[in-house]
Amino acid sequence: QLVLTQSPSASASLGASVKLTCTLTSDHSRWAIAWHQQRPEKGPRYLMKLNSDGSHSKGDGIPDRFSGSSSGAERYLTISSLQSEDEADYYCQTWGTGIWVFGGGTKLTVL
Amino acid sequence: QITLKESGPTLVKPTQTLTLTCTFSGFSLTTSGVGVAWIRQPPGKALEWLALIYWDDDKRYSPSLKSRLTITKDTSKTQVVLTMSNMDPVDTATYYCAHSGDGDSIDYWGQGTLVTVSS
Repeated sequence: QLVLTQSPSASASLGASVKLTCTLTSDHSRWAIAWHQQRPEKGPRYLMKLNSDGSHSKGDGIPDRFSGSSSGAERYLTISSLQSEDEADYYCQTWGTGIWVFGGGTKLTVL
Repeated sequence: QITLKESGPTLVKPTQTLTLTCTFSGFSLTTSGVGVAWIRQPPGKALEWLALIYWDDDKRYSPSLKSRLTITKDTSKTQVVLTMSNMDPVDTATYYCAHSGDGDSIDYWGQGTLVTVSS
């Protein structure tokens, strides 16, 4: 069964960097994912599509501070030079065998 | 510029059927690879994928909700409609439609519409 696992919460200081993780089930470790950001009381926004080799393509207007990388079954979203507006929920999403799946989301707090 | 907007009732009664419409612009649902999906989010909870329709009318459904869902696109190809039968209070959520340019990852989201299920 295809599952995406995310830590429920993360925190980092203003101006620092943070790395969020999305873990695929081992049978699906080569699959690509997408990252989405959801600010408080707002709808989700597409950030990037991230492949198993770490290559990624970002959505319109997504700052260079957002980057993606991969290692095995793990997919990462790194946000550098954290700003207050980065405080949000971050979801990963994948697809395959006729279904789409979302992770449970990580709530990022900017201290 | 790709935009999507959801519309439908804000309140439905238990056991009723919900019909939601996604009206989009800036792309064609006849273009190879393109898909439109429905996703929902109960208050305070995570996103949940519901259904997806591709440019070639291929349709996919969440296994857990498949028996209650129907997704269609209209002949003008600028609207996608989702119906969900036998609504229950646990179906109270914000419902989003979204675009996929390659049929895999979502790359544009609608603003969402809140549907409350209550008698």
